Amino acid sequence: DGGITQSPKYLFRKEGQNVTLSCEQNLNHDAMYWYRQDPGQGLRLIYYSQIVNDFQKGDIAEGYSVSREKKESFPLTVTSAQKNPTAFYLCASSQWTGDTDTQYFGPGTRLTVL
Amino acid sequence: DQQVKQNSPSLSVQEGRISILNCDYTNSMFDYFLWYKKYPAEGPTFLISISSIKDKNEDGRFTVFLNKSAKHLSLHIVPSQPGDSAVYFCAASGQGAQKLVFGQGTRLTINP
Repeated sequence: DGGITQSPKYLFRKEGQNVTLSCEQNLNHDAMYWYRQDPGQGLRLIYYSQIVNDFQKGDIAEGYSVSREKKESFPLTVTSAQKNPTAFYLCASSQWTGDTDTQYFGPGTRLTVL
Repeated sequence: DQQVKQNSPSLSVQEGRISILNCDYTNSMFDYFLWYKKYPAEGPTFLISISSIKDKNEDGRFTVFLNKSAKHLSLHIVPSQPGDSAVYFCAASGQGAQKLVFGQGTRLTINP
C-alpha cells in the first residue's frame, strides 16, 4: 500500500521540551511538506523540501526545524522556541508530473504541549 | 493578506440536493487549484483539481468551475450524500511553485 504515514497520532509534551514528529512516504515523491492547522483556520506551510538534502522555509518556520536525509523521510522538530506549539500537524508529499503537482496528505499528528 | 478565501464557514444541504462551495482568490499568478475534503483529526483527502487553462473539470459527482476573470472557483457536489459531510478546503498554487495556499475551509453538513 502506497501512502504517507505520520507517527504518533497523538503526542503530549511538557513546555520547554523539543519534540520530533515523524513523516514517511513510500510514494517515491520528490517533494515533501509540513503544515499546521489551528481550529477554524486553513493549513499553513511550515517547511518544504523539493529534493533530498534541501529544504526551504514556509510561511511560519520560526520555532521549527527539519531535515531531509532520505527521500522517503521528512521529520519535523518543534523546538522550545515555538511560542504556540499545540496544533494539528500534517505532512504531505507530491511529485511534479510536468502538468500537475497534487499534494497528498498523511493522517496528521496532534501535538499538545502541557 | 488572505490570498485564498472561503467566505462561508459553514453550509447545510439536504441529502440528494446540490452542494455548492465557493472560493475566491486575489493572486492573478495562481494557475492551479485544488479541492480537499477533511474529516476531524484526519489528513485532507484530495478531491479534484483544475488548471487555469480550463474552466470546468468533472469527476463523478464532483465538478469544479473556474472563473478567471472573477478570480472565483466553485465545487459542485451532485447529488449530496451523508458521507459528504466534512470540511472542504480550496487551495491554489502558481508559476510552477509547489507551495499551496489554502483557504480557511467550509464545513458542509448534509441533512437526511
